Amino acid sequence: EVQLVESGGGLVKPGGSLTLSCSASGFPFNSFPMTWVRQAPGRGLEWVSSIEGTSTYIHQSDSVKGRFTVSRDNAKNLLFLHMTDLRVEDTAVYYCARDHVPRHWGQGTTVIVSS
Amino acid sequence: EIVMTQFPDTLSVSPGGRATLSCRASQSVAGNLAWYQQRPGQAPRLLIYAASTRVTGIPARFSGSGSGTEFNLTISSLQSEDFAVYYCQQYNKWPPITFGQGTRLDIK
Repeated sequence: EVQLVESGGGLVKPGGSLTLSCSASGFPFNSFPMTWVRQAPGRGLEWVSSIEGTSTYIHQSDSVKGRFTVSRDNAKNLLFLHMTDLRVEDTAVYYCARDHVPRHWGQGTTVIVSS
Repeated sequence: EIVMTQFPDTLSVSPGGRATLSCRASQSVAGNLAWYQQRPGQAPRLLIYAASTRVTGIPARFSGSGSGTEFNLTISSLQSEDFAVYYCQQYNKWPPITFGQGTRLDIK
């Protein structure tokens, strides 16, 4: 069974940093691209970043470019999102998902950016 | 960036009825269009990909159609669990992958 479990969310002040993790199991992790999608309170889905299985190709939305970095540790089946210079508008539930058209999603981790 | 626009924003339909949700792309996405369902407090669930291919395990009352810039998701014989928010997503030309703003399907 495919399982994705995010962790690392929390309350952080504007300008602060946070690293989200996603632990994957039930599939050959290094064979699949992974994606981060976020959802601000009461809002729709926003694609954040995608990373190919070998980390050769990494793509990010313009809204996070230069501030967020996606990475993965295929040996440990872990996906990361390192977030810096956080802004109030980054407040959201962050989902990790398998593939670019995800059938499998984590339950999400909440990031709140507030002073 | 390809902008995805869904309409209506909210659709009210009676249980047992039929709902048609629409999604329009600002430029052609060919058939590279997916539909998701999201219930309150849950992660999105992939229903349809390649515009009309139903994911294994998704009931047959869900069907997708369209190509290019105009797409529909039709839900026939609405069940109580179908009342949720639905999103379309294009993956033809990316980055960025883009979603529509969502259509809320309410009980009438």
